[in-house]
Amino acid sequence: QVQLVESGGGLVKPGGSLRLSCAASGFTFGDFYMSWIRQAPGKGLEWVSYISPSTKTIYYADSVKGRFTISRDNDKNSLSLQLDSLRGDDTAVYYCARPTERKLRFLWGHWGQGSLVTVSS
Amino acid sequence: AIQLTQSPSSLSASVGDRVTITCRASQGIGSAVAWYQQRPGKIPKLLTYSASNLESGVPSRFSASGSGAEFTLTISSLQPEDFATYYCQLFNNYPQLGQGTKLEIK
Repeated sequence: QVQLVESGGGLVKPGGSLRLSCAASGFTFGDFYMSWIRQAPGKGLEWVSYISPSTKTIYYADSVKGRFTISRDNDKNSLSLQLDSLRGDDTAVYYCARPTERKLRFLWGHWGQGSLVTVSS
Repeated sequence: AIQLTQSPSSLSASVGDRVTITCRASQGIGSAVAWYQQRPGKIPKLLTYSASNLESGVPSRFSASGSGAEFTLTISSLQPEDFATYYCQLFNNYPQLGQGTKLEIK
């Protein structure tokens, strides 16, 4: 079955960097748009970024544009998010998500368990 | 960017009650709206999509409707496991989420 497993979270100082990964299995990874969504403690869900199967199309939320970089390796079934210039308001659980079917790019039927990023001095 | 506003932000209800949550878009968005449920400490779960389609395995007490700029999620008879936070989402060209509605036990 579809599995998404995030890793790479942790405690980082303001201005620091972190790289999150999402290992995918149980499906043809290269067929699907993939997204990152985050949730600050006690707050709602916020879409962060998405990437097309070919990597040709990439979008970011305004709140992370210029600081975060999404990428993927279809040979390794892996999605990544490079987080740079981190701020306190980037503290959140970061989820990777896959749509239910290929054509519904952002209908997130599959979620990982999340990786907690804490930005604090 | 299109904004999605849910109302109410929080809601208290009892087991067996019928509740409705509304999601209003800042402009017409067709029917590409989904609803998610997130129980405390759990990951989000897709409930409905394309305004009114129920995801496989979701109980029939959940229903959704709407088009254009106003959408609703209705739970016909609340069960204990339904107390959670609900999010609407635009899922066409630009994924946007509502701020959430927390459904609590009265």
